[in-house]
Amino acid sequence: GNSVTQMEGPVTLSEEAFLTINCTYTATGYPSLFWYVQYPGEGLQLLLKATKADDKGSNKGFEATYRKETTSFHLEKGSVQVSDSAVYFCALASGGSYIPTFGRGTSLIVHP
Amino acid sequence: DVKVTQSSRYLVKRTGEKVFLECVQDMDHENMFWYRQDPGLGLRLIYFSYDVKMKEKGDIPEGYSVSREKKERFSLILESASTNQTSMYLCASGFSRAGTDTQYFGPGTRLTVL
Repeated sequence: GNSVTQMEGPVTLSEEAFLTINCTYTATGYPSLFWYVQYPGEGLQLLLKATKADDKGSNKGFEATYRKETTSFHLEKGSVQVSDSAVYFCALASGGSYIPTFGRGTSLIVHP
Repeated sequence: DVKVTQSSRYLVKRTGEKVFLECVQDMDHENMFWYRQDPGLGLRLIYFSYDVKMKEKGDIPEGYSVSREKKERFSLILESASTNQTSMYLCASGFSRAGTDTQYFGPGTRLTVL
């Protein structure tokens, strides 16, 4: 079956540091890959997505590249801000199923 | 913008009470979902619905039921609330068409069962 593994948190960084949150997956077929973000006290919202190999999703300074050869979709940002403090979820949807598989989430804490 | 609303942000109930959590979406989505979110466990799917009056069990349906009488509304019912159902409940919706598999989430309901 499908699965998503992402690095455990919390990840603690100082403002303007470089961020990487690792995500690897196993899936049948050719999945779409997602990063969702959950700010404190809110529901999840889509941050970015990629639908085929070598696609790069980007939004709000965050990027992730769909790497089929390494089955990875790592999230990166060059310079984090305090306002980026949130929980980040990697997810996939594949095989014609509209039910995504989520990772367990990675908490990011950014200090001034 | 897609909007998914949930009836309550915070709810406190007593053990044995019947609890209704309501979710409404305004984008004519076919699919609707209920998840619970617990620390260290991520999101777990309780039930989903792909059409009016249709429902499918997710990973943890025990102790829950759902109702979808109208396309825009999906209700989660706890027939007899128990303390182990204290959690954050998230509703989501999405299209059924291939390639449009993004989910749109409501703000969540934090339920405490005493």
